[in-house]
Amino acid sequence: DADVTQTPRNRITKTGKRIMLECSQTKGHDRMYWYRQDPGLGLRLIYYSFDVKDINKGEISDGYSVSRQAQAKFSLSLESAIPNQTALYFCATSDPLTGMDGYTFGSGTRLTVV
Amino acid sequence: GEDVEQSLFLSVREGDSSVINCTYTDSSSTYLYWYKQEPGAGLQLLTYIFSNMDMKQDQRLTVLLNKKDKHLSLRIADTQTGDSAIYFCAEKRYSTLTFGKGTMLLVSP
Repeated sequence: DADVTQTPRNRITKTGKRIMLECSQTKGHDRMYWYRQDPGLGLRLIYYSFDVKDINKGEISDGYSVSRQAQAKFSLSLESAIPNQTALYFCATSDPLTGMDGYTFGSGTRLTVV
Repeated sequence: GEDVEQSLFLSVREGDSSVINCTYTDSSSTYLYWYKQEPGAGLQLLTYIFSNMDMKQDQRLTVLLNKKDKHLSLRIADTQTGDSAIYFCAEKRYSTLTFGKGTMLLVSP
C-alpha cells in the first residue's frame, strides 16, 4: 500500500456541487498538506495542518475547506465547485523530526468541474 | 508572495549532462529541495541541500547552492530517457514548502 493514499484518483463534477477529496497516510506523520497543481503554475498551497487540532490557510484557500479527522486523515472540500477549480490536487505529509522535513506526496486527484 | 523561479523547459540528448536552474527568494530558508514528477504520478523527493552547504553529490545528481545569489542548480550526469520528467525546486519558507513552476526535461535518444 502507498504511504499516502488519495481518493478518488479522478473525478468529474458539475458547477455548484459539493465535493470532498480524501487523503490518508500510514507514515505516522503529524504534518499534512493540500496543494493544487495547474499547468505552468506549479504547486500552490491550499491548507495545511501540523496536528489534529491545527488548521492553517495557505496561499489559495478561498473556496476550499479542510477537516483533519485523525492524525492519518486530512480531507479537502469544495463547498460549491466552480470550473477554475479544475486542477490536479495533491496531499502530502512530512515529519519535522527528520530535520530536512521533506514531503511525501500522494499520487494526486484529477478534478474536472464542468 | 515572491516566486521561486525556474526555466520551463530543457531538452538534452541521452548521455549528455543536464543542468536545471532555480532562483529562490528567502535567504533564511534552511533547506532547499529538488522533486521529480513523472507523467501521471505525484512528486518524488530527489535530493535536498542544507543552507550551510555549497554542494551535495548523490550518484548522478549534483546540487550546487550559491547563497549570495540565491541560486540553486541540479546537474544530472549521463542523462537517460528515464530522466524525462518535470523537476521542481522548492524552498522551506515559514515551515511549508514553496515550489517553483517546474522545469520539463525532455531526453531524446
